[in-house]
Amino acid sequence: AIWMTQSPSLLSASTGDRVTISCRMSQGISSYLAWYQQKPGKAPELLIYAASTLQSGVPSRFSGSGSGTDFTLTISCLQSEDFATYYCQQYYSFPQTFGQGTKVEIK
Amino acid sequence: QVQLQESGPGLVKPSETLSLTCAVSGYSISSGYYWGWIRQPPGKGLEWIGSIYHSGSTYYNPSLKSRVTISVDTSKNQFSLKLSSVTAADTAVYYCARTGGTSHFLYYFDYWGQGTLVTVSS
Repeated sequence: AIWMTQSPSLLSASTGDRVTISCRMSQGISSYLAWYQQKPGKAPELLIYAASTLQSGVPSRFSGSGSGTDFTLTISCLQSEDFATYYCQQYYSFPQTFGQGTKVEIK
Repeated sequence: QVQLQESGPGLVKPSETLSLTCAVSGYSISSGYYWGWIRQPPGKGLEWIGSIYHSGSTYYNPSLKSRVTISVDTSKNQFSLKLSSVTAADTAVYYCARTGGTSHFLYYFDYWGQGTLVTVSS
């Protein structure tokens, strides 16, 4: 199985900040990576797939980059509704796995 | 708009079998895509359980394979999860979801149910 290291686990930020979340793989996965946002008591919502493709309806302040083993989710200008937990998911290798999550909290 | 809704008992006794159903609306399961189950223990991360195609082809996480059965009922447009010999470690919110691709079960998930909490306790 592929090991995923998502960092940081907790990120304190203010509205308007630019934030980045990292997801590192134990082996290369090309661009088979997705990012999700999850708010308390809700199901995860797909933000980005294929490492950098924005899901329909997702604001353009969200962007993804990377390939191989290192990936990044960037929120260019943090809004109040963006305080949530973010997960990466690799779907290159069986079994597909999720990162441990990054909670973005209000500073 | 594709919608998924999980249903089933919220409380299961240890050693018994957890059974959940996911009703799909807004899309016919027979038309394609893989459909999956994902779970999330309280305060923890996400774990893929398994996926199924409308033909009945299934793929299970090796960590759960010996205890998991996923089935599909295209006439009712729903699919189901059974997890046997449950313990407290199986307490989690269980989500059903649709994969984003039609050709393979290894994919991201683009539509999710709201999730249902299943507690394993006597």
